[in-house]
Amino acid sequence: QQQVKQSPQSLIVQKGGISIINCAYENTAFDYFPWYQQFPGKGPALLIAIRPDVSEKKEGRFTISFNKSAKQFSLHIMDSQPGDSATYFCAPGVKEYGNKLVFGAGTILRVKS
Amino acid sequence: DAGVIQSPRHEVTEMGQEVTLRCKPISGHNSLFWYRQTMMRGLELLIYFNNNVPIDDSGMPEDRFSAKMPNASFSTLKIQPSEPRDSAVYFCASTPGGLNSPLHFGNGTRLTVT
Repeated sequence: QQQVKQSPQSLIVQKGGISIINCAYENTAFDYFPWYQQFPGKGPALLIAIRPDVSEKKEGRFTISFNKSAKQFSLHIMDSQPGDSATYFCAPGVKEYGNKLVFGAGTILRVKS
Repeated sequence: DAGVIQSPRHEVTEMGQEVTLRCKPISGHNSLFWYRQTMMRGLELLIYFNNNVPIDDSGMPEDRFSAKMPNASFSTLKIQPSEPRDSAVYFCASTPGGLNSPLHFGNGTRLTVT
């Protein structure tokens, strides 16, 4: 589990603000970088993912930024909404091993209305 | 698409009892994963199957844990005997395979061992 360090542990953001969650990894073999979102009582669900050949990917209000040299990637949530309140996990993995992902410890996001 | 179905949703049992958790993956998915989630250790991969064959069980904590996948539509995770430290939420996830296919998680089984 120490292969992946996620920060912060929790985050409170005002509605309309930007939420930023960071993930640092050690294993240079990782070549797939997803973020999962989990609501209470539910299993995690894929939110957005990036491959290492690009530095940024945007899907709606969600953006992944990837810095290969620093071995870090981050999730940005623009115009944060109360419905975004959830736990977010980074979960890098290695393509060769299918979907054997290593989950970070999670970030609890609360968006205040 | 009914999603990954897990049963039961909640299980309360006494220490020493046998517990069996069940999972029905999404039809057509050929890889299945069992995860355990706790506050202390987060999400841990216990075991995963590909085409019903166990590929990696290095995450199984000890011999009290066992998992089977007798066919493509059913898997079980058994704990015998159960201990209070096994209390956690156990998730099953499946994926259609292929590089970087997303994991589809069930809603989990919350296990409490008293």
